[in-house]
Amino acid sequence: EAAVTQSPRNKVTVTGGNVTLSCRQTNSHNYMYWYRQDTGHGLRLIHYSYGAGNLQIGDVPDGYKATRTTQEDFFLLLELASPSQTSLYFCASSPGQGANERLFFGHGTKLSVL
Amino acid sequence: SQWGEENLQALSIQEGEDVTMNCSYKTYTTVVHWYRQDSGRGPALIILIRSNEREKRSGRLRATLDTSSQSSSLSITAAQCEDTAVYFCATDAQGGRALIFGTGTTVSVSP
Repeated sequence: EAAVTQSPRNKVTVTGGNVTLSCRQTNSHNYMYWYRQDTGHGLRLIHYSYGAGNLQIGDVPDGYKATRTTQEDFFLLLELASPSQTSLYFCASSPGQGANERLFFGHGTKLSVL
Repeated sequence: SQWGEENLQALSIQEGEDVTMNCSYKTYTTVVHWYRQDSGRGPALIILIRSNEREKRSGRLRATLDTSSQSSSLSITAAQCEDTAVYFCATDAQGGRALIFGTGTTVSVSP
């Protein structure tokens, strides 16, 4: 089973704070994704990447930066956190892109911005 | 904007009953994923169905895909308590960029 590890599992910060969410996959997958999950909205794509140094914009990118430092590691950065970014964040990976590729998800990071 | 969505937000049933949830799309797609999310965990793929399959089964799960009506369904036969979860449909109709998920259906199965 493919492994995707997120850290931290829980994070509390204040408005205006700086937060970095980490994700590591050991599946040798090319693609990695960041989603946020909110009641009534399901999972929404923030950013994704198809390799080290690459970044693609998702559907809800405002207020988020991301960086793919290696094939294994994908980071989500909130430089000026706002209460609207309180959410459950999921990282996922897949071998390739598109409909035929299964996504493997981490356990999620619960972020609270006070 | 979201282009796919489940038609029901929540379902409550008793063990042994059958349940069906539906997903509709605004743009054409040939592949639909169904994911299940248990409490405190990330989603996990349970069925992937392609247009040439029309119907796909996995144990007590059955998925359909109708490209003419741009809709998909997931059925659970003889539901059990362990089927309690949130179920999402997903596909990549936006030009194959990445999977886009529906809003999810919460299924609660009681003894």
